[in-house]
Amino acid sequence: AQSVTQLGSHVSVSEGALVLLRCNYSSSVPPYLFWYVQYPNQGLQLLLKYTSAATLVKGINGFEAEFKKSETSFHLTKPSAHMSDAAEYFCAVSPTNTDKLIFGTGTRLQVFP
Amino acid sequence: DTAVSQTPKYLVTQMGNDKSIKCEQNLGHDTMYWYKQDSKKFLKIMFSYNNKELIINETVPNRFSPKSPDKAHLNLHINSLELGDSAVYFCASSLRTADTQYFGPGTRLTVL
Repeated sequence: AQSVTQLGSHVSVSEGALVLLRCNYSSSVPPYLFWYVQYPNQGLQLLLKYTSAATLVKGINGFEAEFKKSETSFHLTKPSAHMSDAAEYFCAVSPTNTDKLIFGTGTRLQVFP
Repeated sequence: DTAVSQTPKYLVTQMGNDKSIKCEQNLGHDTMYWYKQDSKKFLKIMFSYNNKELIINETVPNRFSPKSPDKAHLNLHINSLELGDSAVYFCASSLRTADTQYFGPGTRLTVL
């Protein structure tokens, strides 16, 4: 069965520092991969998605993620953190050609001034 | 303009009661979903519907019954509520199967 592992339930960075949120997937074939963000008391918003096109995917709010098949990873990065980036981030995998999203356990990002 | 909306936003009820949560999308999407987010923020799919037809039913107790009167609506009815049903329930929709899913704001259900 496909699954997603997010390393680190909490990540803290200073404003202006690099953000790196880790996601590894298990799949026998390249799946579709997603990063969603959840701000406090809100629903999930799509940051970016990988669907077997370019391996470097650019998303909203300056985030990007790189699909690395050899490492089965899809880590999320942002060069410079803003206070407004503080939120819960979820990595998700969707088996190709299905509509099922399997979520990781989430990573809470804290940004300090 | 709200894309995916849910009502109510908060729902507090007693054990044993029956309650419903409503979801509507104005995106013209064919597929709708229900997800449950537990107290540890873990999200798990419960159901998906495509053109009013049930596609996914993820080992959810029979007390949970989704109903899709039309493509734009997917309601969730829960019978005999239990303490463990307390969670945030999210509705989502996508244009077609395997397309990007757009989520509603969630309904926080608290069972006392």
